[in-house]
Amino acid sequence: GGIITQTPKFLIGQEGQKLTLKCQQNFNHDTMYWYRQDSGKGLRLIYYSITENDLQKGDLSEGYDASREKKSSFSLTVTSAQKNEMAVFLCASSIDINQAPLFGEGTRLSVL
Amino acid sequence: QQQVRQSPQSLTVWEGETAILNCSYEDSTFDYFPWYHQFPGESPALLIAIRPVSNKKEDGRFTIFFNKREKKFSLHIADSQPGDSATYFCAAIDQGGSAKLIFGEGTKLTVSS
Repeated sequence: GGIITQTPKFLIGQEGQKLTLKCQQNFNHDTMYWYRQDSGKGLRLIYYSITENDLQKGDLSEGYDASREKKSSFSLTVTSAQKNEMAVFLCASSIDINQAPLFGEGTRLSVL
Repeated sequence: QQQVRQSPQSLTVWEGETAILNCSYEDSTFDYFPWYHQFPGESPALLIAIRPVSNKKEDGRFTIFFNKREKKFSLHIADSQPGDSATYFCAAIDQGGSAKLIFGEGTKLTVSS
């Protein structure tokens, strides 16, 4: 079986800092996603990548950059961390856009 | 902006009852509708999904009912068990268009014994 690995699991940053979250999948999936989940809330789409050389903005892309370095990896950068920001960033992947994605375990971000 | 609306926000049922969770959408180009459940401290996990060519999809105790005309779909959990207590998210994607997978806000289900 495959796995989606997100690193780091926990990330503590300073206000204004640029922070990078990484996601690797060994399913050989084409499509990858980044979502943000605030406590007790739903999932909001930040960026997604339909295939290896594609990058699409979600509804929450402002303040973030993303990079699909290769088919198996998809990184997300918080360009300037906001004070007191706390959220879980979830990476997901699917074989293609015709299938529902599987999720990684998340990166929990806290900004001091 | 494409939206998926979910209700109720929270739901409590007794063990053995059927829990009904509802979703609606606006964009008629949505063509694939998965449901996920999420236990505290864990990531969402895919439960069941439906395409509009069907108006019903069953998998064990879980059934999706789909009404394309009204743009509504619901998840029925039969014979609810305390272990079903979790937050359930519906989602929708326009596979032929933007390919954005959009989630509802979630329903927190509690099954009491």
